[in-house]
Amino acid sequence: AQTVTQSQPEMSVQEAETVTLSCTYDTSESDYYLFWYKQPPSRQMILVIRQEAYKQQNATENRFSVNFQKAAKSFSLKISDSQLGDAAMYFCAYRSPNTGNQFYFGTGTSLTVIP
Amino acid sequence: KAGVTQTPRYLIKTRGQQVTLSCSPISGHRSVSWYQQTPGQGLQFLFEYFSETQRNKGNFPGRFSGRQFSNSRSEMNVSTLELGDSALYLCASSAGTGPNSPLHFGNGTRLTVT
Repeated sequence: AQTVTQSQPEMSVQEAETVTLSCTYDTSESDYYLFWYKQPPSRQMILVIRQEAYKQQNATENRFSVNFQKAAKSFSLKISDSQLGDAAMYFCAYRSPNTGNQFYFGTGTSLTVIP
Repeated sequence: KAGVTQTPRYLIKTRGQQVTLSCSPISGHRSVSWYQQTPGQGLQFLFEYFSETQRNKGNFPGRFSGRQFSNSRSEMNVSTLELGDSALYLCASSAGTGPNSPLHFGNGTRLTVT
């Protein structure tokens, strides 16, 4: 089974600053999809950004962008101009094209935004 | 469009009992997946249903079961509850089965087993 590793259990960032959350994964597949989800205290997981492995270009969604390094199996999330509302648990997830909607999640990074 | 709805939000059960959790997907979504979230194990895949058929199952004992109805609503059942079943159970729906269809999650059901 694929494994997803988030090595930073906790991170903090000053409001308006930039922070990068790390994620690595292990797979033997060449085609797959990667996601970052955010889970605020409300408990609902919210999709932040997604990346297709066959695309060289890094995905961006407003203040959120990724640094996808396929050879290194690394998928980090950069949050620019951090806002108080960005405080949450962030989960990196891997999805294989062969297992439907079975996602493999990392253990999460708790992000604190300091005013 | 209404989001994924899970009921109830909280449940307290006693060891040995059984429990049923409900999930209504986003309208038009035919795929429903269930995940268990605990502090120790993180998010773990339980199973996925598509058009009333179980498509995929995670590594959980047979006490965990589910089903999907013709309107895509899904239920998850846990029998003979154990203390270790205490967790947040998340349901997610998806528009398709393709790998680029993201999961849309509900708020979860917090199950406490005493």
